Amino acid sequence: QSVVTQPPSASGTPGQRVTISCSGSSSNIGSNYVYWFQQLPGTAPKVFIYRNNQRPSGVPDRFSGSKSGTSASLAITGLRSEDEADYYCAAWDDSLSGWMFGGGTKLTVL
Amino acid sequence: EVQLVESGGGLVEPGGSLRLSCVASGFTSSNAWMSWVRQAPGTGPEWVGRIKSKTDGGTTEYAAPVKGRFTISRDDSKNTLYLQMNSLKTEDTATYYCTTEQWVQLWFRYWGQGTLVTVSS
Repeated sequence: QSVVTQPPSASGTPGQRVTISCSGSSSNIGSNYVYWFQQLPGTAPKVFIYRNNQRPSGVPDRFSGSKSGTSASLAITGLRSEDEADYYCAAWDDSLSGWMFGGGTKLTVL
Repeated sequence: EVQLVESGGGLVEPGGSLRLSCVASGFTSSNAWMSWVRQAPGTGPEWVGRIKSKTDGGTTEYAAPVKGRFTISRDDSKNTLYLQMNSLKTEDTATYYCTTEQWVQLWFRYWGQGTLVTVSS
């Protein structure tokens, strides 16, 4: 069981807005930055959001991140078929002294 | 162009050892904090450990499941990161990725293609 938890699945139709949640505790999300990764089949994870809400260059502004207390969210607006992927959140855990990844959310574009 | 290329994966019996390498190109990796992340088939990523840059002390930290069995090191003269894995267990079977955990205000920006480690008799 992951220290950081995500819903296993999410879905939406093209053009819709979808949010993916990430829940942790005071030792990880509550006191450290949250990162979001997109992973396509057979490829390495790719950082889509860093430090809670910052987008690396090349990531569409349809993607945004937010954090409140011990939870975080990834929002995707104007959903597109190419957004179909697995999404993972991660945060440093001060108690465990390590990076904790969520179990992942499989996003399906219907 | 920044590239990370892992190598050294393969099939090993339980209790055996393996050393993975990650060669960096296109940037000065000595300034980066480097991490190893693994992913077992059908599961999410799992952080294995990291090594800070020498200017930040060059210290290492490990995830609980590998502590005492795995060792991360770096040779900045060769732009190479290593993961020495000893006393391997079947549950260590995974694709292992190296990544730039922190480099010039970029976090987890660059990843290798991964190398598969299979621990089986």
